Amino acid sequence: SAVISQKPSRDICQRGTSLTIQCQVDSQVTMMFWYRQQPGQSLTLIATANQGSEATYESGFVIDKFPISRPNLTFSTLTVSNMSPEDSSIYLCSGRLALGEQFFGPGTRLTVL
Amino acid sequence: QQQVKQSPQSLIVQKGGISIINCAYENTAFDYFPWYQQFPGKGPALLIAIRPDVSEKKEGRFTISFNKSAKQFSLHIMDSQPGDSATYFCAASTGQAGTALIFGKGTTLSVSS
Repeated sequence: SAVISQKPSRDICQRGTSLTIQCQVDSQVTMMFWYRQQPGQSLTLIATANQGSEATYESGFVIDKFPISRPNLTFSTLTVSNMSPEDSSIYLCSGRLALGEQFFGPGTRLTVL
Repeated sequence: QQQVKQSPQSLIVQKGGISIINCAYENTAFDYFPWYQQFPGKGPALLIAIRPDVSEKKEGRFTISFNKSAKQFSLHIMDSQPGDSATYFCAASTGQAGTALIFGKGTTLSVSS
């Protein structure tokens, strides 16, 4: 298994500002992913964080809004840029092991005022 | 093609009863089918997973039944307990490296004592 930690666990931000979420995995994972989850809803994939190269974004998500870095096998960051109240959500980091098992962090609860 | 359809949306079960949640998929390339359990304020936790080479997998009170020809799989929770009250998500992915999980919409389970 893999243990995934995220920082911060929650934050309240002002409109127009940016927040960077950090994700640390305790073991080497083949892939890392970022998801968004609205309260009471399912998980929506934002992007795949690729080590040493640009992230792969899903439809509806763009790099200028959600820049992602993955400098090594166990660490990634997601920045939510120029925030608006619509960005209020839970952001989840996930890591996938070689056999396909995928584990999730505890999430970052973001509120934008 | 990429959807995973989950039902029911919500479920109420008496303590000691059997909880059954169903999922269906279309993409025959999917070959990994996990179930996640999520409590309020927490990230999704991997509960149990199955691959298409077996029709059933059991771990404690949790069993996955898999029907490859019908493209369906289900989670059975035997002897349901109030502590099982949570949201359950089915998911699917392919064996390709970098393929993220596709999630169902979730089922909110409430076990009454």
